[in-house]
Amino acid sequence: DIVMTQSPDSLAVSLGERATINCKSSQSLLYSANNKNYLAWYQLKPGQPPKLLIYWASAREPGVPDRFRGSGSGTDFTLTISSLQAEDVAVYYCQQYYDTPPYTFGQGTKVEIK
Amino acid sequence: QVQLVQSGAEVKKPGASVKVSCKASGYTFTGYYIHWVRQAPGQGLEWMGWINPNSDGTNYSQKFPGRVTITRDTSMSTVYMELSSLISDDTAVYYCARDSCSHGGTCPFDHWGQGTLVTVSS
Repeated sequence: DIVMTQSPDSLAVSLGERATINCKSSQSLLYSANNKNYLAWYQLKPGQPPKLLIYWASAREPGVPDRFRGSGSGTDFTLTISSLQAEDVAVYYCQQYYDTPPYTFGQGTKVEIK
Repeated sequence: QVQLVQSGAEVKKPGASVKVSCKASGYTFTGYYIHWVRQAPGQGLEWMGWINPNSDGTNYSQKFPGRVTITRDTSMSTVYMELSSLISDDTAVYYCARDSCSHGGTCPFDHWGQGTLVTVSS
């Protein structure tokens, strides 16, 4: 199984500042035939279901604010929130869908306001 | 709009089984796989399995050998997840989620049910 490891486990960022979350996979998620990275990011708030933010490592789901940006390739990926808003407080998960089953998630990164 | 509506919270004793439903609307039910994912208290997200509502084909995580069964009723546009031989570690919120690719493929999950809390306690 592909193991997904996120860092840090939690971070506190001031409103309006940048938040950066890293995700590392135990093997490459880049499929050479289509040059796509099979990596997604989800946001999970208390009492709500997960919300898909980013897919193919950098494609933003419709309706997701452009302050959310996904980047990276191969085994190293990053989710950046360029200007943290109060409503961004949540736990963020990366997920690989390159080699399934199983679909595997990172352990999550909790983002709070400093 | 796409909606997945799950059944309500359950409390079960160890050794029992639980069956959670997920009713889909707003799209062609047979066109998209449905996955089940759970989150135990203080833990991360764990994929359990999927069903192809068109063919009734299934695929399960090896972490639940013989304990999870996913079925569907196309007349009701509903998917069911049954977990048997429950233990306390199965206490979790269980989500159904739609695969974003039509007719299968390896893709992320674009729509989720609201979650169903299953508590296993003696």
